[in-house]
Amino acid sequence: EADIYQTPRYLVIGTGKKITLECSQTMGHDKMYWYQQDPGMELHLIHYSYGVNSTEKGDLSSESTVSRIRTEHFPLTLESARPSHTSQYLCASSFSYEQYFGPGTRLTVT
Amino acid sequence: RKEVEQDPGPFNVPEGATVAFNCTYSNSASQSFFWYRQDCRKEPKLLMSVYSSGNEDGRFTAQLNRASQYISLLIRDSKLSDSATYLCVVNGENAGNMLTFGGGTRLMVKP
Repeated sequence: EADIYQTPRYLVIGTGKKITLECSQTMGHDKMYWYQQDPGMELHLIHYSYGVNSTEKGDLSSESTVSRIRTEHFPLTLESARPSHTSQYLCASSFSYEQYFGPGTRLTVT
Repeated sequence: RKEVEQDPGPFNVPEGATVAFNCTYSNSASQSFFWYRQDCRKEPKLLMSVYSSGNEDGRFTAQLNRASQYISLLIRDSKLSDSATYLCVVNGENAGNMLTFGGGTRLMVKP
């Protein structure tokens, strides 16, 4: 079983608020990822990191930002939340190709 | 054309049936192949890796056909608990050679 955690699991927040979604893993994986997934739809990669101080944008353009100051921690920040940001955000990590996912954060922006 | 294509289904099958899903991929240079399972409103979980020689894990068998660039998943003796979306995953053409997820095939096993 993968040891990757996300908080909060559910978040309802008003438009314009700043939010940070937390993701931590205890497996020592160098690579970490953020995906966005709407209900019944495909996963879309929005950010990834190959290690500390490395961050890259994924295939889907996102207004969010990420940081990687520690190997185990990969938080995602939205400076000003909008209703269009309502979605599920999934964090994953990997040593090689196989990725292990956290339980996700379901975000609703009202 | 999508990098990884799957029939979205749903596949509705009775308990005990055998069901097979196929998936095609566009990057002939891909080297790593996986099947993930995703339950409704949950995170994807790795079901099995797919090796060139094919591999089996209990009731599940995965096959790779490099010449035709497709991957298959066979589920024998379907259980109600097999109901889920099955994601075909390939290391893709994107920067960093990372995994590309297919849209998934939904399976519903009925009593």
